[in-house]
Amino acid sequence: KAGVTQTPRYLIKTRGQQVTLSCSPISGHRSVSWYQQTPGQGLQFLFEYFSETQRNKGNFPGRFSGRQFSNSRSEMNVSTLELGDSALYLCASSLGSNNQPQHFGDGTRLSIL
Amino acid sequence: QQQVKQSPQSLIVQKGGISIINCAYENTAFDYFPWYQQFPGKGPALLIAIRPDVSEKKEGRFTISFNKSAKQFSLHIMDSQPGDSATYFCAASAYNYGQNFVFGPGTRLSVLP
Repeated sequence: KAGVTQTPRYLIKTRGQQVTLSCSPISGHRSVSWYQQTPGQGLQFLFEYFSETQRNKGNFPGRFSGRQFSNSRSEMNVSTLELGDSALYLCASSLGSNNQPQHFGDGTRLSIL
Repeated sequence: QQQVKQSPQSLIVQKGGISIINCAYENTAFDYFPWYQQFPGKGPALLIAIRPDVSEKKEGRFTISFNKSAKQFSLHIMDSQPGDSATYFCAASAYNYGQNFVFGPGTRLSVLP
């Protein structure tokens, strides 16, 4: 069974630009969550989508948004990029949306110049 | 109250020894406690998880001990191997929080040959 796939693996952008990251969950998984990982703040929850609806949202500004498609694939968008947005963005999928084991992809490394 | 504390920050163990990582939480709503292992350049991989209805769970060389009254849980790696060298994260979630997992800051484990 294929794992969680995230594309692209690496991305370099400049301040003010916007970026879209993609996540394909494990087949059959309906919940997709996004996390930001940085050396200073660790792993922080961004938001979760289940059946195309945002179920939960972390404490991030509105520049961070996402969506989920009918096939459970998800995208995350960051607008007006700032230097502090440089991070590893991780996607995790799970069968359900309440205390279910989450399985992570290898992430997208975003660097802002 | 959402914080999960983790110690030590780094750990060096000889091959064959026991590695012990400890975590503590405050939010009594938490009812799912997974541990993740992360290698450089990879996403976190689910190692083992426990729910508060049991005090201990063992899977191979990995054991979680859970103390509900103290709000603490720990990971024990028996017969530690150089291949176990990685960063370990504890996490916690609550049923009503969906898939919003709160992660500890991580422990970097080095197992010397």
